Amino acid sequence: SQQGEEDPQALSIQEGENATMNCSYKTSINNLQWYRQNSGRGLVHLILIRSNEREKHSGRLRVTLDTSKKSSSLLITASRAADTASYFCATNSGSRLTFGEGTQLTVNP
Amino acid sequence: DAGVIQSPRHEVTEMGQEVTLRCKPISGHDYLFWYRQTMMRGLELLIYFNNNVPIDDSGMPEDRFSAKMPNASFSTLKIQPSEPRDSAVYFCASSPRAPRPQYFGPGTRLTVT
Repeated sequence: SQQGEEDPQALSIQEGENATMNCSYKTSINNLQWYRQNSGRGLVHLILIRSNEREKHSGRLRVTLDTSKKSSSLLITASRAADTASYFCATNSGSRLTFGEGTQLTVNP
Repeated sequence: DAGVIQSPRHEVTEMGQEVTLRCKPISGHDYLFWYRQTMMRGLELLIYFNNNVPIDDSGMPEDRFSAKMPNASFSTLKIQPSEPRDSAVYFCASSPRAPRPQYFGPGTRLTVT
């Protein structure tokens, strides 16, 4: 079963706008990770946030984690057409990751 | 580093045939993961290895699936006999340790007719 559930399933925005994707999960976690998948490619790790962290930044990415609500959000600022991809959250249980169903982001030029 | 290498990239086979997918993890990574991705079920973990030893194969759908890791630089996922419902993209990923970021290969797109 999928631990993480992303919301929305699909998001379409204009270049330059910000994109926010949300992830909810069910059980306690050690960390939460976000990955990007371009069409026809493998997943690429974006950022990892530990359970004792509330916010983390990496370039144009900002991730928040609320363990009390069992939720996380990924914000991409000043989006570009190249950001068009599917974005997945993944929670870890021991050594394994469980991925959500993903958000398909389309950034229109 | 070349990253995780998978072969073949595409495989088309007939129902009942044996299929072998191959993976070369990133050198020095102790963990290797096999995933299957479909539209219906998303990304599912099939099995993972630590230091060449299978740790969790609870995601392997049935006995037709088997995976081996004879050494630190090579793993195979075998389906025998293959069925049309096995059609999916199969990813291999490796990690220096868990739970650290995983590095994914480009995937093998399997079509069973």
